[in-house]
Amino acid sequence: SQKIEQNSEALNIQEGKTATLTCNYTNYSPAYLQWYRQDPGRGPVFLLLIRENEKEKRKERLKVTFDTTLKQSLFHITASQPADSATYLCALERGRNTGKLIFGQGTTLQVKP
Amino acid sequence: DAGVIQSPRHEVTEMGQEVTLRCKPISGHNSLFWYRQTMMRGLELLIYFNNNVPIDDSGMPEDRFSAKMPNASFSTLKIQPSEPRDSAVYFCASRTALAYEQYFGPGTRLTVT
Repeated sequence: SQKIEQNSEALNIQEGKTATLTCNYTNYSPAYLQWYRQDPGRGPVFLLLIRENEKEKRKERLKVTFDTTLKQSLFHITASQPADSATYLCALERGRNTGKLIFGQGTTLQVKP
Repeated sequence: DAGVIQSPRHEVTEMGQEVTLRCKPISGHNSLFWYRQTMMRGLELLIYFNNNVPIDDSGMPEDRFSAKMPNASFSTLKIQPSEPRDSAVYFCASRTALAYEQYFGPGTRLTVT
């Protein structure tokens, strides 16, 4: 069956360090992968999208990689700040051009000052 | 832009009662999604609409759940009768036909006692 896995344990890092979050998937051939941020009591907020033919995407302090051979995406936050503390969700489209997103369980990041 | 609007933000009801959740998507967005989020199952897609037409309701858990989209600016998710296991946060999201990212509302926290 199709499955998306993210580190279920919280990630604790020191301010200024780089945070790296992992998203692994099985039995998918997604055309793209998305990353969202969710703060407590709020809805997810879109951050980045990377397509299957892209190896890397950057946006300010964020970087996403996509390895379709390993079936893995890595999400990096450089020069992390306490304000980056949140839960980060990866999402894949089920099928092609279906519009149906399947979300991972999310990884909670805590950046300590 | 006000973003996706959901009401109510919190709903507490007794088992057996009917519950109606409401959503106003972002103006100009032609796809609307209803999700449910719990600690155990994460964020799950219940149903989505394209141009007000239900496209896929395979995520709707039971016949007790129904959703409508009478026009481009309004959708409802109804649970009748409600059960304690329906307690969750329900999110509505919308997107345009030209982009893949989804915009989420603030959610409705439903508690069924």
